[in-house]
Amino acid sequence: NAGVMQNPRHLVRRRGQEARLRCSPMKGHSHVYWYRQLPEEGLKFMVYLQKENIIDESGMPKERFSAEFPKEGPSILRIQQVVRGDSAAYFCASSPPGRPQETQYFGPGTRLLVL
Amino acid sequence: DQQVKQNSPSLSVQEGRISILNCDYTNSMFDYFLWYKKYPAEGPTFLISISSIKDKNEDGRFTVFLNKSAKHLSLHIVPSQPGDSAVYFCAASAGNTGKLIFGQGTTLQVKP
Repeated sequence: NAGVMQNPRHLVRRRGQEARLRCSPMKGHSHVYWYRQLPEEGLKFMVYLQKENIIDESGMPKERFSAEFPKEGPSILRIQQVVRGDSAAYFCASSPPGRPQETQYFGPGTRLLVL
Repeated sequence: DQQVKQNSPSLSVQEGRISILNCDYTNSMFDYFLWYKKYPAEGPTFLISISSIKDKNEDGRFTVFLNKSAKHLSLHIVPSQPGDSAVYFCAASAGNTGKLIFGQGTTLQVKP
């Protein structure tokens, strides 16, 4: 059973470009979470999605950031017009239906570098 | 507002001894607590968790203690092994929201 998969593992963008980060949850998992880790900090919650629904986006910046988890395919975190402050590691986690806080499994992360 | 705090950025212990990692929280609504371990360039790996209705949970070399009155939890690793060297994060959640609030992490180094 493959774990949570994220791609790309590393992404370099110039200021003003768009970044698309993909996350494929573990098989059988219908809940996806995105977290961001800035240098020297802990992980910060961004958004919680179920298939075709955003459950909690309280951690998402108000502008330029969006996330989706379509019926088919991976979850996508999209950052438009990236700025240097977006440089961070972005982690995706997934969990099966039930008690989501108990069983979140993390992917390896995407390291975004904005030049 | 840092709701979950790990006040020790780093900890160094000798192989075979006990490692104690500490975590404090401020939100009394938190009802579930977790510890994750993270190696460089990898995602966090779940270690152990505890519900607020308990004060201790043990899994092999890992034990988590919860003191609700002090809003404090700790992770004990006995005996410590060099492979335990990593960054340890505590996390907390309130209700069945799925939203984990993480501390800043403590880097543990276990010396042979």
